[in-house]
Amino acid sequence: GAVVSQHPSWVICKSGTSVKIECRSLDFQATTMFWYRQFPKQSLMLMATSNEGSKATYEQGVEKDKFLINHASLTLSTLTVTSAHPEDSSFYICSALLEALTDTQYFGPGTRLTVL
Amino acid sequence: AQTVTQSQPEMSVQEAETVTLSCTYDTSESDYYLFWYKQPPSRQMILVIRQEAYKQQNATENRFSVNFQKAAKSFSLKISDSQLGDAAMYFCAYRSAISNFGNEKLTFGTGTRLTIIP
Repeated sequence: GAVVSQHPSWVICKSGTSVKIECRSLDFQATTMFWYRQFPKQSLMLMATSNEGSKATYEQGVEKDKFLINHASLTLSTLTVTSAHPEDSSFYICSALLEALTDTQYFGPGTRLTVL
Repeated sequence: AQTVTQSQPEMSVQEAETVTLSCTYDTSESDYYLFWYKQPPSRQMILVIRQEAYKQQNATENRFSVNFQKAAKSFSLKISDSQLGDAAMYFCAYRSAISNFGNEKLTFGTGTRLTIIP
């Protein structure tokens, strides 16, 4: 149980285009999901917290207009990187809180974004 | 604000031996959760073990156990009978137990890269 998927696992796009990454909780409902960014050999950096049916809460320094987050259902959150640039290239990871064990985050496998 | 410190950037252990990864944290809260996550080369974050601060008993999961010292704010992970599949980056993480929105966030340490020597 507590499986989280992400799609796509790897995406390459041209500078100036937008990319959408999906995060799904496969066998549980998740009121709260999180989006992280991870640079090589570094820890995870929280970008935002998303709650189903409400606006995401962004961490300081994260551009909300650039990283659009939508949590439209209890099993799906999406992160859209708008007008992507090479500096947005990174590994993006989502996680979800299991309702029955709300203190524990379960992570997706991550999405590697490369912007050319 | 809470901080989590992992002072060992890299560790190595012989296969079948035991290794301990250290983690200290700083908080003014009395109730919280602590976690160890593993990130193998696939980069999938995997929950290894979870500890509730109000429980004095140390959590164990098969070959993985913790030494939780609340007064010292220390939360080390012991891996017994190390296996090649244990090679990964290990992250210690803290989470407040206060049930307010915004407190569900995890605060991560910088990680310890564990190498298993065959």
